Amino acid sequence: EPEVTQTPSHQVTQMGQEVILRCVPISNHLYFYWYRQILGQKVEFLVSFYNNEISEKSEIFDDQFSVERPDGSNFTLKIRSTKLEDSAMYFCASTPDRNYGYTFGSGTRLTVV
Amino acid sequence: DAKTTQPPSMDCAEGRAANLPCNHSTISGNEYVYWYRQIHSQGPQYIIHGLKNNETNEMASLIITEDRKSSTLILPHATLRDTAVYYCIVKAGTASKLTFGTGTRLQVTL
Repeated sequence: EPEVTQTPSHQVTQMGQEVILRCVPISNHLYFYWYRQILGQKVEFLVSFYNNEISEKSEIFDDQFSVERPDGSNFTLKIRSTKLEDSAMYFCASTPDRNYGYTFGSGTRLTVV
Repeated sequence: DAKTTQPPSMDCAEGRAANLPCNHSTISGNEYVYWYRQIHSQGPQYIIHGLKNNETNEMASLIITEDRKSSTLILPHATLRDTAVYYCIVKAGTASKLTFGTGTRLQVTL
């Protein structure tokens, strides 16, 4: 069964550093998403991406965050200057159509120290 | 998106059917009911979705009431591996964002 692949599985970074979280969505999917989950809290929407542009973003997704689809397969989330409160699990998801279910990756655990 | 209400936790014996309820009394005509689950800290897993008809797939069945104000997810023969948090989410088909609540923590026991 096709999977959404996320790398790395765990990243530790120092406060103020830039991080890039990587995702390989399922190949024929057209809609891409990033979500995050702070330990013990709800899964929160960050951003949706379609046709090479952001289609929706949450209040969390401020100027410190950016997304990119640099080639036909990767989908990345960049945090420019990490804060302690950015520590969370970050999940990538994709779907061929917004009516369908979304396939989530297994996540990247980001720890900011 | 319409708000949903789920019980915070439920128990089920292994091999029995698990029936997880969800209330969505403010659902709009163009909104679907989606069910996802999250096992421990893994990524959410899509289970099933429907608009107004009952749906069944290899994982579960979804029963939606005629007035669409509530639904039930049925896992016909629960196993220990079905222990997870189950999320009922209402979303318009053209909307992108899934809004997760706190879900129902299902504990399957021997």
